[in-house]
Parts: sequence; C-alpha cells; structure tokens
Amino acid sequence: EVQLVESGGGLVQPGGSLRLSCAASGFTLSTYWMNWVRQAPGKGLEWVANIKEEGSEKYYVDSVKGRFTISADKAKNSLYLQMNNLRAEDTAVYYCARDYSGLDVWGKGTTVTVSS
Amino acid sequence: DIQMTQSPSTLSASVGDRVTITCRASQSINTWLAWYQQKPGKAPKLLIFRASSLESGVPSRFSGSGSGTEFTLTISSLQPDDFATYYCQQYNSYLYSFGQGTKLEIK
Repeated sequence: EVQLVESGGGLVQPGGSLRLSCAASGFTLSTYWMNWVRQAPGKGLEWVANIKEEGSEKYYVDSVKGRFTISADKAKNSLYLQMNNLRAEDTAVYYCARDYSGLDVWGKGTTVTVSS
Repeated sequence: DIQMTQSPSTLSASVGDRVTITCRASQSINTWLAWYQQKPGKAPKLLIFRASSLESGVPSRFSGSGSGTEFTLTISSLQPDDFATYYCQQYNSYLYSFGQGTKLEIK
C-alpha cells in the first residue's frame, strides 16, 4: 500500500527549531517530486516547499525561505523539513505529499505549535 | 508568484443540485491545475489533475474544465458525502499555490 506517515511535530517556543519527517512506503520516494503543505488552524492550504527527484532542485514559499530546509534520504525512503527560527505564524498541521501531476498521495499530517 | 482566487468562498446547496466552483489564476497556467476535496480533520484528496482529468476512484459526477487562467470544478448531482471544502492548486511553476478554498455547505 502506498503510504506517507509524518512525525516530529510538537510544541516549540518562538525562535526554536523542529525537524519533521515523512516516511514513505509502497513506492520509492526519490523517483518523485515531494512536497510539504501546511494548514494553519481554521485556514486554507499553503504550499511550503518541494524537492525534485534525487534532490537536485528545491523551492520554497517566500515566508519560509532561509528558515526551512527540505531534504530527502534515499536509503531511508524519507522526506524531511528542518524548520529553524520558528514563528507563531508557522503554527499549522504539516502534510507531506507525493507529486504526480497533482498531489496524489498525502500523509495524515503532524501538528506544529509555536508558542511561549 | 502565481495567485489563485476561488469563488465563491462559501456555497450552500442541496442534495441533487448541480454546483460549480470557479478558480482564476493571476497568469496563464495552461492546464496545470488540480482540484482537491478536504473534510474536517482529514488530509486533502486529489479529485482532478491537468484541469480535467479525473483521478482514479473519484466518482464521475466530478468534472473539471478550463485552461489559461479560468477553471471550473462541477459536481453534477450533489451527494451527502460531497459536503466539504474544495481547493484548486496550480503547478505551472515550481512555486505551487492554492486557492483560498470553497466551503460547500448543506442548504
């Protein structure tokens, strides 16, 4: 079964860091573009970042550039999002999603709360 | 960056109604557009890709059309399971973006 499972969310103080993970099963993650999408409480979907197959290209929404880094580990078949200098406005459910002409496989999400 | 604007933001309809949701892009995206359905507490689900292609397993009452900057999602006959929030998303550029969402409510 094709599946994505996120982990690593939690409560962090402003200015802190978190590393989100997304474990893929049923397919080889490094053969697809992969994405992180977030959803703040009661708000719509916001695309955050993506990474090309094999990791040669990465793109970010302006609001996270310089603070977040997307990466992938071929051996672990996993996607990551390193989040530094977190702000209150980064509070959201973070989803990883596979990219195959549209985001066709999504995880259930992991919740990040930035608060003092 | 490409901005996506959906209308309406909220839509009230009844079971059996035909409904249409519109999505406009701030510049041409050809047909690089997808539609998603999201229910509370759940991850989004892909319905339509390449503007008009139905994702496998999605009921045929869902259809998409459009190209360039104007797109529509149509549900031909609303079913109880269809009451949810719908989002469009462009993937013409590597910097993806979503519309703000359309909440489909029971009238």
